[in-house]
Amino acid sequence: DAGVIQSPRHEVTEMGQEVTLRCKPISGHDYLFWYRQTMMRGLELLIYFNNNVPIDDSGMPEDRFSAKMPNASFSTLKIQPSEPRDSAVYFCASSTGTPEGQPQHFGDGTRLSIL
Amino acid sequence: AQSVSQHNHHVILSEAASLELGCNYSYGGTVNLFWYVQYPGQHLQLLLKYFSGDPLVKGIKGFEAEFIKSKFSFNLRKPSVQWSDTAEYFCAVTRNTGGFKTIFGAGTRLFVKA
Repeated sequence: DAGVIQSPRHEVTEMGQEVTLRCKPISGHDYLFWYRQTMMRGLELLIYFNNNVPIDDSGMPEDRFSAKMPNASFSTLKIQPSEPRDSAVYFCASSTGTPEGQPQHFGDGTRLSIL
Repeated sequence: AQSVSQHNHHVILSEAASLELGCNYSYGGTVNLFWYVQYPGQHLQLLLKYFSGDPLVKGIKGFEAEFIKSKFSFNLRKPSVQWSDTAEYFCAVTRNTGGFKTIFGAGTRLFVKA
């Protein structure tokens, strides 16, 4: 089975540009999570969706960040305008939503560098 | 505030040494507990999980963890580490009442000397 697929794997862009990160969750998973990982702050949950609906976006750092999930097989995380402090590895993860809370399956991440 | 604490940010061991990584959480009520591992340059992978039942959980690659409810702890152990265990280890907790949100600890970087 294909795992969580993220694209691009790497992105380098200049500050002020719009950045769009993409994620395809595992088929059948109804939860999707976006995380940001940095050396200073570790792994931070930005937002998560259940059945394509955003449930908790309290981790989104500011209005420059937005996330959408137009259907069960695709989600985007957008940063506009980007800033150097947004440089990080962004992970997408998905899971099934049984009452017990299944483990999350992570994608390979997008390494974002803002110059 | 609800949190997950991993006591050691960096651990350096020699091969064959025993490993114990601490994890404490501050949630009340029922929780589900996980340990994930991130090898250099790779994504997080599940090592083991606890939902209910036997508080001693065995995972992949010889790892185990013990859930001690009274101490709000879920420490990870391995009797004899290998160089290939060099990685970052994350403890995570999911609340089991309402909502569905997993909080990750800050991670512990383990370096095993050959």
